Amino acid sequence: DGGITQSPKYLFRKEGQNVTLSCEQNLNHDAMYWYRQDPGQGLRLIYYSQIVNDFQKGDIAEGYSVSREKKESFPLTVTSAQKNPTAFYLCASSRREGNLYEQYFGPGTRLTVT
Amino acid sequence: RKEVEQDPGPFNVPEGATVAFNCTYSNSASQSFFWYRQDCRKEPKLLMSVYSSGNEDGRFTAQLNRASQYISLLIRDSKLSDSATYLCVVIISGGNEKLTFGTGTRLTIIP
Repeated sequence: DGGITQSPKYLFRKEGQNVTLSCEQNLNHDAMYWYRQDPGQGLRLIYYSQIVNDFQKGDIAEGYSVSREKKESFPLTVTSAQKNPTAFYLCASSRREGNLYEQYFGPGTRLTVT
Repeated sequence: RKEVEQDPGPFNVPEGATVAFNCTYSNSASQSFFWYRQDCRKEPKLLMSVYSSGNEDGRFTAQLNRASQYISLLIRDSKLSDSATYLCVVIISGGNEKLTFGTGTRLTIIP
């Protein structure tokens, strides 16, 4: 089955620890994204990558880091510098063919930092 | 002003009714528009793209008004399964395919 996988679904960490969230896709999409969603708020873009070995900061990149060494994988590290890391993290990938554009989301990871 | 604005609701609508909501966007360079649906504690899923001429998919109709900078979603004959949060999404031109999401409109269909 083609799709995007994120693991784990629920993740608990102590304050001060770095944590890496995984995102894998087998859709052969070039572009991948990380979003964060907080209760009552829309999705906010953390980082995105349009091609392997390249990525750009989104609107709220501070305290996060990413890598894109493979087309299929776009892991997100939440560092101890992120002030409010508890949130629902969503990974997505996309493709555009002419006027057709589609973006698919993974099932998300709920991170709780205490 | 937010780039994409939606009324958060919640809208409680009886089953079978027609419901419509709008989304406004502030950047006139916005090129592509979408409606996503998000169920509670799940990931967003694309409901439909919004084309300049308007488009329909079964009970759902989406329209774009560039002059007034808003898009709309109309749901006819609403079903209990339509209960969800509906997210308005905009891509601003520039080649980076960066999506901007509204905060969503919460819809509950009441039996």
